[in-house]
Amino acid sequence: NAGVTQTPKFQVLKTGQSMTLQCAQDMNHEYMSWYRQDPGMGLRLIHYSVGAGITDQGEVPNGYNVSRSTTEDFPLRLLSAAPSQTSVYFCASSYSDRTNYGYTFGSGTRLTVV
Amino acid sequence: DAKTTQPNSMESNEEEPVHLPCNHSTISGTDYIHWYRQLPSQGPEYVIHGLTSNVNNRMASLAIAEDRKSSTLILHRATLRDAAVYYCILRPPDDYKLSFGAGTTVTVRA
Repeated sequence: NAGVTQTPKFQVLKTGQSMTLQCAQDMNHEYMSWYRQDPGMGLRLIHYSVGAGITDQGEVPNGYNVSRSTTEDFPLRLLSAAPSQTSVYFCASSYSDRTNYGYTFGSGTRLTVV
Repeated sequence: DAKTTQPNSMESNEEEPVHLPCNHSTISGTDYIHWYRQLPSQGPEYVIHGLTSNVNNRMASLAIAEDRKSSTLILHRATLRDAAVYYCILRPPDDYKLSFGAGTTVTVRA
C-alpha cells in the first residue's frame, strides 16, 4: 500500500548513543517532515524538506540532523541521545501543492532514552 | 500564527452525528482550515480541509462560517472507530508547517 513507512517502530537507546530513524514514502511527495509528540501534547515540528537536497529547521531542531538525498527518503539522526528526546516520532509527507492536499503521516517510532 | 480553540472533549453515541466546533477568530484571508484526527497509538490522519466553501468527502463534512471565524467538522454517523483526538489547524498557503494544538478528544459510546 502506498504511504509513509517508518522504521523501527520501537527503540530503546542509552544516553549518548546515536541512531537514525528511517522514513520512506512511495507517493512521489515533494515535501517531507519530522514531528515529535510528547505525552499529552500536540505534535511539534523538528525538521522539514521541500525537495531532494533541501532541508530546514522546524521549532525543535536541537539534537537532530536530517538530509534528503532522494525524493523517497528522509532519515532523522539523533546525534547523542538524551532522556529529553524520549518521545514518539512521526514522519509526514505531502505534495508541494498545499492548497489541494493534506499530509500523510507514518505510524510512528516510539523512542525511549535511558 | 493564527490560533484555534477547540473543546477539550466531546461524547457521542454510536450512529449519531458529531459536530466538532473550532474557533479561529484571527484567521487571515488566505489561511486554509485543516482537520486531522489521531486514533490511539497511531499517526495523525488527514480528514478534510477547506478555504471558504463547505466541503464534503467520504470521511466527513466541513462547514465554514461566512466570516470564517469558526468552522465545524461533522461526522455524519459516528462509529467506534471514530474515537480519536481531532485537531483543527490553520495553514497559510506559504507555510508547510502544521501547528497542532491540544485538539478535541471524541469518545463514542456503543
